[in-house]
Amino acid sequence: QKEVEQDPGPLSVPEGAIVSLNCTYSNSAFQYFMWYRQYSRKGPELLMYTYSSGNKEDGRFTAQVDKSSKYISLFIRDSQPSDSATYLCAMSVIGGTSYGKLTFGQGTILTVHP
Amino acid sequence: DGGITQSPKYLFRKEGQNVTLSCEQNLNHDAMYWYRQDPGQGLRLIYYSQIVNDFQKGDIAEGYSVSREKKESFPLTVTSAQKNPTAFYLCASSIPGGTRYTFGSGTRLTVV
Repeated sequence: QKEVEQDPGPLSVPEGAIVSLNCTYSNSAFQYFMWYRQYSRKGPELLMYTYSSGNKEDGRFTAQVDKSSKYISLFIRDSQPSDSATYLCAMSVIGGTSYGKLTFGQGTILTVHP
Repeated sequence: DGGITQSPKYLFRKEGQNVTLSCEQNLNHDAMYWYRQDPGQGLRLIYYSQIVNDFQKGDIAEGYSVSREKKESFPLTVTSAQKNPTAFYLCASSIPGGTRYTFGSGTRLTVV
């Protein structure tokens, strides 16, 4: 079983839809949670990060963490064609020999069509 | 502008050859990482370095080697021992222990 599981999709939605992307994890030591966006043939870019349970909002994006269920989500409101990309969740422990190392999910391919 | 430069963008390797992928950063980051990306498998860690002249194996280090002689540079060599090297390779950097990585644009390696 992988430490981080993410539904690879692909996910196709119409413009303006609300998108929900999800990851589950098994390592209870994970304390930092991130979402990266990757456009085709490019490197990932950090979209959002959080280290506590609850919601964090940034414009059209909301990151949600539920540590008790080991579940994180990214919501995209009013989705745009420019949101079409692969979304990767990533997690990290704090301290120890794994300090600074990220564990990534498989990535979800999202297409927003006009 | 600060960032990470990976070169070349595309690389073709013949069977039995060693090839080296370049990664240079001008962000003054101490930590650097190499990841491999395959379709449907996300990013898997090959090697990482938290400081100059020191590096550690990641989850899939077999068939790869690295060096860290300068803070700015972290080249990755894909050796002939790597049986399935065709993939997209990503270099990243961060502050020590930092989780906000800056990634390069990647190198696509193909075995011909």
